[in-house]
Amino acid sequence: ELKVEQNPLFLSMQEGKNYTIYCNYSTTSDRLYWYRQDPGKSLESLFVLLSNGAVKQEGRLMASLDTKARLSTLHITAAVHDLSATYFCAVGSDQGGKLIFGQGTELSVKP
Amino acid sequence: DTAVSQTPKYLVTQMGNDKSIKCEQNLGHDTMYWYKQDSKKFLKIMFSYNNKELIINETVPNRFSPKSPDKAHLNLHINSLELGDSAVYFCASSQDRSVYGYTFGSGTRLTVV
Repeated sequence: ELKVEQNPLFLSMQEGKNYTIYCNYSTTSDRLYWYRQDPGKSLESLFVLLSNGAVKQEGRLMASLDTKARLSTLHITAAVHDLSATYFCAVGSDQGGKLIFGQGTELSVKP
Repeated sequence: DTAVSQTPKYLVTQMGNDKSIKCEQNLGHDTMYWYKQDSKKFLKIMFSYNNKELIINETVPNRFSPKSPDKAHLNLHINSLELGDSAVYFCASSQDRSVYGYTFGSGTRLTVV
């Protein structure tokens, strides 16, 4: 069964610093998604990664996918307070198109 | 126009009651889902429908019954509510093997007292 693990689960950063969130998954998949969730809100799509070596960037966030290592990373550059949220990776399963989510990484950016 | 809309946003009810949550998407997507997010924020698939046909039923108690009258709507009916059913329920939709990701509704926070 497909399992998805994120680390760290909690991340407290200072503004201006860089950090990386890791997402490992257990079986082959060619679809990896990153979402952001603010407290009490829905999930906002950040990145869709569909091939080995895919890299996407939006503002201070950059996501990459290594399907051979079954690893995706979400890199945060020069963090700002507005990035504080919970970040989820999710892997697409061929079983009915469902997503299997990681546990989420709760990011807190402090001045 | 909201792409995936759920109602109600909040639902507080007593144990043993029956309740429904409604979901509608105006994206023209073929597949709709129900996910449950527990108190630790963990998200788990419950059901998936493709063009009104049930595709996934993930070992959910049969007190939960999804219904899809057409491909734009997916409702969730819950019988005999229990304390452990308290969670946030998200509806989502996608095109098959979506290259654009999945679109989530705003969620329904269900509290069973």
